Amino acid sequence: EDQVTQSPEALRLQEGESSSLNCSYTVSGLRGLFWYRQDPGKGPEFLFTLYSAGEEKEKERLKATLTKKESFLHITAPKPEDSATYLCAVQTDRGSTLGRLYFGRGTQLTVWP
Amino acid sequence: EAGVVQSPRYKIIEKKQPVAFWCNPISGHNTLYWYRQNLGQGPELLIRYENEEAVDDSQLPKDRFSAERLKGVDSTLKIQPAELGDSAVYLCASSLEQGVSTDTQYFGPGTRLTVL
Repeated sequence: EDQVTQSPEALRLQEGESSSLNCSYTVSGLRGLFWYRQDPGKGPEFLFTLYSAGEEKEKERLKATLTKKESFLHITAPKPEDSATYLCAVQTDRGSTLGRLYFGRGTQLTVWP
Repeated sequence: EAGVVQSPRYKIIEKKQPVAFWCNPISGHNTLYWYRQNLGQGPELLIRYENEEAVDDSQLPKDRFSAERLKGVDSTLKIQPAELGDSAVYLCASSLEQGVSTDTQYFGPGTRLTVL
């Protein structure tokens, strides 16, 4: 059974304190791994897509990396506005469920001044 | 460019009542998704449309849920009758197309349903 597990469930950082969020997955045939950010009362906002092990992508203070078993979202010198829930999702290459995203439960990040 | 539009944003109903949610995808996006997100969980797919055709509805509880996407643009998701366990956020997403590429899904703000 396909599974996506995110850790930690919650993370509190002081402004400027760098850290990483983890997303481990067990799927047969990965087409893509997605990171989304979700603010309270809003829908998920797309951040990155990673397709193959070794791939990295960056956006402002965020950097996403991918291995064959997990992905990391590194946050460098975070600011309070980075506070949100970060969701990881995988997409498989199975024809019957092509396009379906399997989400983890998310990591709730709080950055305090 | 306008994003995915959903209405209503909030809905409170009593159990056994019907409810409907509406979604307008990003212009030109052929693929539309309905997800349900329970509190503290990630979204789970209910149904996926490619144009007018429902191509993945295996996780839609068909005894009480129905959906339609007339003319391949707007979509409506209906629950009849609603149960207490249906309280959740219902998210609509769209992507340009599905095929050999992995297209990014863009989400709307969601409809928060509370069933009393």
